[in-house]
Amino acid sequence: EAGVAQSPRYKIIEKRQSVAFWCNPISGHATLYWYQQILGQGPKLLIQFQNNGVVDDSQLPKDRFSAERLKGVDSTLKIQPAKLEDSAVYLCASSSEGEITDTQYFGPGTRLTVL
Amino acid sequence: KNQVEQSPQSLIILEGKNCTLQCNYTVSPFSNLRWYKQDTGRGPVSLTIMTFSENTKSNGRYTATLDADTKQSSLHITASQLSDSASYICVVIGHNFNKFYFGSGTKLNVKP
Repeated sequence: EAGVAQSPRYKIIEKRQSVAFWCNPISGHATLYWYQQILGQGPKLLIQFQNNGVVDDSQLPKDRFSAERLKGVDSTLKIQPAKLEDSAVYLCASSSEGEITDTQYFGPGTRLTVL
Repeated sequence: KNQVEQSPQSLIILEGKNCTLQCNYTVSPFSNLRWYKQDTGRGPVSLTIMTFSENTKSNGRYTATLDADTKQSSLHITASQLSDSASYICVVIGHNFNKFYFGSGTKLNVKP
C-alpha cells in the first residue's frame, strides 16, 4: 500500500512570497489533515477535510493560508504572503473514515524555510 | 484549557535498557489517547491507540498505559534499540468535535 505522498520535500522562499504544498493521501482515505510542526513542538492541526468538505479549520490563519481538496482526493495548502514565523514542517495525514479510533498515516512533510 | 504535557523533554539511555515516557493531560472529556513515534525528518507513525476504557496497549517492545482518573499515560520501551532514537508524541483526542491535542514530544536518544 502506497503511503501519503507530499511535495516538495523542501522549499526556501523569501518573506512576502507565496508557496504551495501538495498532498496525495492513501487511496480511499476519506479524511485528510494538514498540520504545521514548528521545530521542537508537536504538530498543530491547520485544517481537516472529510472528502472535499472542511470539518475543522479553526486554527488556519485564513488571512494568509488557504487549502482545498477538489474531488475529495488530492489537496493543496497555500501560503500567501509568507512570514518568517511560517518556517516549519507542513505535514499531511490521512485516515480511512475519520472515525475516532482510525489510524492516521502521515506523509514525510514539506520543510519550509522563510528568509 | 485543554493541554497535553510530556516529560522528560529529552532522554538519553544506553542500548538494551528500558525507559518510560510520561504524558499528563487536562483534555476532558476525551475519547482516546495515542502515542506516535517520529523519526528525524519524517512524519509521525502511530504506535498505540487507547480508548478511555482501556488501561494498557502493547505494540512489540512498546507498552502504553492509561489512567483516566489521574489523566496520566506512559509509554514504556523495553530492551531499547538504536532505532528507537526518535521523538515520541502523546496525542489526546477530545470527545467534543474530535479535536486532536498534541504534546511537544520527548526526544529519546539511544546510545550504543
